[in-house]
Amino acid sequence: DAKTTQPTSMDCAEGRAANLPCNHSTISGNEYVYWYRQIHSQGPQYIIHGLKNNETNEMASLIITEDRKSSTLILPHATLRDTAVYYCIVRPYTGTASKLTFGTGTRLQVTL
Amino acid sequence: GAVVSQHPSWVICKSGTSVKIECRSLDFQATTMFWYRQFPKQSLMLMATSNEGSKATYEQGVEKDKFLINHASLTLSTLTVTSAHPEDSSFYICSAGRLAVYEQYFGPGTRLTVT
Repeated sequence: DAKTTQPTSMDCAEGRAANLPCNHSTISGNEYVYWYRQIHSQGPQYIIHGLKNNETNEMASLIITEDRKSSTLILPHATLRDTAVYYCIVRPYTGTASKLTFGTGTRLQVTL
Repeated sequence: GAVVSQHPSWVICKSGTSVKIECRSLDFQATTMFWYRQFPKQSLMLMATSNEGSKATYEQGVEKDKFLINHASLTLSTLTVTSAHPEDSSFYICSAGRLAVYEQYFGPGTRLTVT
């Protein structure tokens, strides 16, 4: 799976948009970008995934650059409950669940 | 839907004893289950992948005789830490996948402390 690079930590004020970047310059054509988050002492939670088009769901938006070498996860109105470690993972779409390789992620701290 | 539970949520055991952790998919059939381990302030590391009815596939460096994984049914997988030592103290997390669905659904984790 392609390697990803994320900032170690970020801060965001509550109510503002949180923009979390991810670099995946070695991504292959068949690899998707997935985002998970892990709130302290809990299991990871799936957020969103995409191939090349921008995606949006009830939790977040995913913006992927045209060359697919980087992406940004956007939480439009961050709340204190969004404080977590966010993982950007690149892996092929296999049609069924396959193993995830977690990097170090970005620790997002949402403050009042 | 797609809920995964783990039991126990935390356990303390003495060095040299064995401890079993259960992972259940509550509302779907899990064709594949994954076991991860997470040490404090570190990321999740995959330990093994198990498919129902077959032997687990262990990641490099994970002792298969120490970490016994059983996936006997489509809703239950167990991880047994045999002859536990303090260095096995960690947060163990399972996830489950179902046929033709790319997502993995994670359990809440089990915190193991070996004294």
